[in-house]
Amino acid sequence: KAGVTQTPRYLIKTRGQQVTLSCSPISGHRSVSWYQQTPGQGLQFLFEYFSETQRNKGNFPGRFSGRQFSNSRSEMNVSTLELGDSALYLCASSSPTGALGETQYFGPGTRLLVL
Amino acid sequence: DAKTTQPNSMESNEEEPVHLPCNHSTISGTDYIHWYRQLPSQGPEYVIHGLTSNVNNRMASLAIAEDRKSSTLILHRATLRDAAVYYCIPAWDTNAGKSTFGDGTTLTVKP
Repeated sequence: KAGVTQTPRYLIKTRGQQVTLSCSPISGHRSVSWYQQTPGQGLQFLFEYFSETQRNKGNFPGRFSGRQFSNSRSEMNVSTLELGDSALYLCASSSPTGALGETQYFGPGTRLLVL
Repeated sequence: DAKTTQPNSMESNEEEPVHLPCNHSTISGTDYIHWYRQLPSQGPEYVIHGLTSNVNNRMASLAIAEDRKSSTLILHRATLRDAAVYYCIPAWDTNAGKSTFGDGTTLTVKP
């Protein structure tokens, strides 16, 4: 099976712009989670989608949003970018059943640089 | 969330075994213990998980204490490619539906 794919891999934006990142989960996986990773804060959970519905959400401002499509592909959007949004954004998919606690499979991430 | 304690860093020589400890004294009885690792410039990668019994797979072994308050990831013969940050995740926060990645242990493997 193909792994989790994320596009683009690298992105440079300026403050105030918005950005959309894409994630394609492993075939058959219905749960997609997004994480932000920075040197200072480590890996932080953004939100999780299951069957096109946001099931769980981390502690991030409303500028961070996401959605999931019927084919389980997911996008996350960050509006009004700030310098502090520079990070590696990771997507992870898990299990056909979407059961909590299932093993997560991570993509390579999208590295976003905000200037 | 179950709180975890892992050493910030560890070193190993190539071809030698490595024991990576994790303390999770507040783990609940039904939470699986997952281990992931993150190689440089890559996303985290699943290594192994277990509940009560020791577990083995092609990558590693997981030894779980009888009281489940600690576990140890064992790499039987470290290679240079095992240099990574290793995360011990002892709980799935059912309220938030997320696993909590702490700071992990940075493993350096010396040739």
